[in-house]
Amino acid sequence: AQKVTQAQTEISVVEKEDVTLDCVYETRDTTYYLFWYKQPPSGELVFLIRRNSFDEQNEISGRYSWNFQKSTSSFNFTITASQVVDSAVYFCALSAAQKLVFGQGTRLTINP
Amino acid sequence: EADIYQTPRYLVIGTGKKITLECSQTMGHDKMYWYQQDPGMELHLIHYSYGVNSTEKGDLSSESTVSRIRTEHFPLTLESARPSHTSQYLCASSEYKGAGSTGELFFGEGSRLTVL
Repeated sequence: AQKVTQAQTEISVVEKEDVTLDCVYETRDTTYYLFWYKQPPSGELVFLIRRNSFDEQNEISGRYSWNFQKSTSSFNFTITASQVVDSAVYFCALSAAQKLVFGQGTRLTINP
Repeated sequence: EADIYQTPRYLVIGTGKKITLECSQTMGHDKMYWYQQDPGMELHLIHYSYGVNSTEKGDLSSESTVSRIRTEHFPLTLESARPSHTSQYLCASSEYKGAGSTGELFFGEGSRLTVL
């Protein structure tokens, strides 16, 4: 069975701080995909990144970076120099065996 | 820019009414999904479709039904709405990339349903 755990329910930091959102997953499949989505207060889900299980290279996109470690089944997301506009709920998701499973989400609040 | 649209964005109706939430995508995606979500909370898959004339129930049991007569259209219907159906409903689509793979999901803006 597939499972995604985002242990941090809520995180609150002051603007310009770095913040890391944790994501741990479980699957028996050797081929799988991991995603991060952002859900701002407006409600729509915005795709951030998709990684496959064979590509463990870390990725950086502007202030966003992702650390994929198969050894610990983790796919953590770091925002550097956070901004108020980063405030949102962030979801990690796992796709394997034709099923897509979301984590419970982490509510991130960036205070000015 | 994702091209997936949901209507209505907001709906307030009385108990017992029949409602249909519309979802359309112009990307030619084969796979489409409906998720139910309380604001900011976990997403629950309630229906999905691999293509025309294909519909499957998701992980969360739902009294709603769906149809997929056209590739671009995946409406969700509640025959008799109840207060317990109050929630946000998110539609999504993705490209089918073969066994064991899911392309990036594109989500609509959501339909927020309130049943009084």
